[in-house]
Amino acid sequence: KAGVTQTPRYLIKTRGQQVTLSCSPISGHRSVSWYQQTPGQGLQFLFEYFSETQRNKGNFPGRFSGRQFSNSRSEMNVSTLELGDSALYLCASSEGYEQYFGPGTRLTVT
Amino acid sequence: QKEVEQDPGPLSVPEGAIVSLNCTYSNSAFQYFMWYRQYSRKGPELLMYTYSSGNKEDGRFTAQVDKSSKYISLFIRDSQPSDSATYLCATYNTDKLIFGTGTRLQVFP
Repeated sequence: KAGVTQTPRYLIKTRGQQVTLSCSPISGHRSVSWYQQTPGQGLQFLFEYFSETQRNKGNFPGRFSGRQFSNSRSEMNVSTLELGDSALYLCASSEGYEQYFGPGTRLTVT
Repeated sequence: QKEVEQDPGPLSVPEGAIVSLNCTYSNSAFQYFMWYRQYSRKGPELLMYTYSSGNKEDGRFTAQVDKSSKYISLFIRDSQPSDSATYLCATYNTDKLIFGTGTRLQVFP
């Protein structure tokens, strides 16, 4: 089976812009979770989608949002980018307790 | 207090050594414990997970949970330079996977 894929892999944006990241889960997995990874805070949970519905949400501001499509593919959006949003954004798909991560999208905000 | 605490290291060991990586957690209700390995510029890779207490072995890797002390460990036998990576422990808190900060391991030849 193909693994989790994320696009784009690298992104540079300017403060105040918005960005959309994409994730394609492992075939057959219905749950997709998003995480932010930074050197200071480590891996932090953003939200989880299951069958097109947000099932869980972490402690991030409303500028961070996501959605899931009927084919389980997911997108996350960050509006009004801030310098502190520079991070590796990881997507994980799961069916049960085992979460499998994609390679991540490295976002740099200048 | 953080829900999962992990010494960030770095931990540097010679090839062939036994490595012990450890985490503590705050809530005795946590039941599932995971270990991930993350190479530089890659996503985390699930190594193994355990449910409740006890040991689980997979090749050179052994995961151990001690619920009485809220302590989880990952042992790596016969460590190899290819094991050099950051190791993250994680547990589920009400369906959210919570990670430790990761321990950076360096195995030198």
